[in-house]
Amino acid sequence: QQQVKQSPQSLIVQKGGISIINCAYENTAFDYFPWYQQFPGKGPALLIAIRPDVSEKKEGRFTISFNKSAKQFSLHIMDSQPGDSATYFCAARYPGTASKLTFGTGTRLQVTL
Amino acid sequence: NAGVTQTPKFQVLKTGQSMTLQCAQDMNHEYMSWYRQDPGMGLRLIHYSVGAGITDQGEVPNGYNVSRSTTEDFPLRLLSAAPSQTSVYFCASSLWAHTDTQYFGPGTRLTVL
Repeated sequence: QQQVKQSPQSLIVQKGGISIINCAYENTAFDYFPWYQQFPGKGPALLIAIRPDVSEKKEGRFTISFNKSAKQFSLHIMDSQPGDSATYFCAARYPGTASKLTFGTGTRLQVTL
Repeated sequence: NAGVTQTPKFQVLKTGQSMTLQCAQDMNHEYMSWYRQDPGMGLRLIHYSVGAGITDQGEVPNGYNVSRSTTEDFPLRLLSAAPSQTSVYFCASSLWAHTDTQYFGPGTRLTVL
């Protein structure tokens, strides 16, 4: 059972365009929602994250929008650049004593010139 | 700081062989974890540790053993490798069990024939 559902599986955006990746979750107990960026042959790296008491968080060209009632959150990449081409994973954390993350299935983003 | 290091980078095993994937961090992080990454399935938590001497199971622990004798090291053991364990394995660490940022290693690509 996939507790965090991510879409689309792949995305092609032109340079300068907006990339949007969506995630939906089921467990309302999740207390932290990070996005990870992964380049080929590398480990994932934390990109941006949000807590459920905030509806939006922006860091540079990256924005998370969070809709608690719909149990959805999304990553927006403004002015997408070829260097943003990577796989993006959304995740959600179980509350408790350990930082256990459950991940979405990933979105492969390609930004074309 | 080297961050999170993993060895080997690549490994090919025959069914039934055993091996240990090494993970080390030099950031004095208490929390360490192992994930496996499979196409279309995102990252799934195998085992985690909230400190030296303390380990627990994640989402997909079967076929894997871990131990945590020091803060720095968190090896993952495959007792009898199976083709279903063909995957890319990532080790991650964070300062404390509930710290937001997890740092991932570069991964080990394992093929079981």
